[in-house]
Amino acid sequence: GAGVSQSPSNKVTEKGKDVELRCDPISGHTALYWYRQSLGQGLEFLIYFQGNSAPDKSGLPSDRFSAERTGGSVSTLTIQRTQQEDSAVYLCASSPGTSGYTQYFGPGTRLTVL
Amino acid sequence: GNSVTQMEGPVTLSEEAFLTINCTYTATGYPSLFWYVQYPGEGLQLLLKATKADDKGSNKGFEATYRKETTSFHLEKGSVQVSDSAVYFCALSELIQGAQKLVFGQGTRLTINP
Repeated sequence: GAGVSQSPSNKVTEKGKDVELRCDPISGHTALYWYRQSLGQGLEFLIYFQGNSAPDKSGLPSDRFSAERTGGSVSTLTIQRTQQEDSAVYLCASSPGTSGYTQYFGPGTRLTVL
Repeated sequence: GNSVTQMEGPVTLSEEAFLTINCTYTATGYPSLFWYVQYPGEGLQLLLKATKADDKGSNKGFEATYRKETTSFHLEKGSVQVSDSAVYFCALSELIQGAQKLVFGQGTRLTINP
């Protein structure tokens, strides 16, 4: 079946605007993860979902970041009032469960904040 | 907290050369260890993994052994090919609220010349 998909693949926005990034996990995968890949910070964990629930939001960089997941499937990462330091590649991964399962990554969304 | 340190790149080798990319980790307990690879223009893919001490992960001619005594998980390949050119990430899994958060090293860019 299809892998993890993310949209858009590229997003250029102006500082101060809000953006929404979408992730479609592999069908049937209950766990979904968001990571960020940036030049200064490398690959860092942001948040994960088990079903529609996000038990730990401490990885989100600031309160401008939020995420939700509906129907145990699609997830949206929203960044409000974007800043230049938000520029990065945002990666989504899914797995069949939580502990002990391989995470499968999507191609990422490259966000550029001007 | 847990962390992963891998050798800085870039690494440039000739085809058929022997490859070693060093990776060491700091962790409480005994995490699972992973090598992920990112080919140009593609998403992160799991290359190999090991879940306990002395386990050897292998795939596509690459190998890595989980060494608890040296807290290491070095990646090796006996004869590299041009198609192995990519960025390689060492990672460990950290349990958070029952889920596996991946903690990544900084990545090592490998270029193989014909």
